[in-house]
Amino acid sequence: EVQLVESGGGLVQPGGSLRLSCASSGFTFGNYAMSWVRQAPEKGLQWVSGISGSGGSISYADSVKGRFTISRDNSKNSLYLEMNSLRAEDTAIYYCAKATLYVVISDLVNWGQGTQVTVSS
Amino acid sequence: EVVLTQSPGTLSLSPGEGATLSCRASQSVSSSYLAWYQQKPGQAPRLLIHAASSRAAGIPDRFSGSGSGTDFTLTISRLEPEDFAVYYCQHYGRSPLTFGGGTKVEIK
Repeated sequence: EVQLVESGGGLVQPGGSLRLSCASSGFTFGNYAMSWVRQAPEKGLQWVSGISGSGGSISYADSVKGRFTISRDNSKNSLYLEMNSLRAEDTAIYYCAKATLYVVISDLVNWGQGTQVTVSS
Repeated sequence: EVVLTQSPGTLSLSPGEGATLSCRASQSVSSSYLAWYQQKPGQAPRLLIHAASSRAAGIPDRFSGSGSGTDFTLTISRLEPEDFAVYYCQHYGRSPLTFGGGTKVEIK
């Protein structure tokens, strides 16, 4: 059974930093692309970033480009999202999601339960 | 960036009725790289349909997807109580991946 467990969320001040992690199990991690998707309170889904199975191909939404960095450690079956220069509008639940394919441009077949990030003074 | 517009925003129906949800893309979606997700309150999204019309594993056959180019449809043939939720379409033909704003299917 595929399991994705996010951690690292919390309350941070504007301009601050946070690092999210996603621990995976139940599948060969390096064979699949992974993405981060967020959902602001009472809002819809927004794709944030994706990384290919090898980590060699990375994409970001324009709203986070230059502030967020996605990475993965296939030896630890883990996905990460380093978030810097956080803004109030980054407040959301952040989901880790497994792609159907090895490449970033893929549908997202498995999702974690999410971790809450709140940016507020 | 491909912008997806979903309609209607809210659909009020009774159990047993059929539902038709629309997703329109701002430009043609290549090779039908269009997916549909279901999200219930307090839960993560669940993949229902990929490649516009292929059901994901374990999804009941009352859910079906159709369409091509810029116009796509999710049809639920007979609403079960557990189908009342928010539905999102997603484009994944190229980066950035984008989602529609969602359609809420609520009990009438």
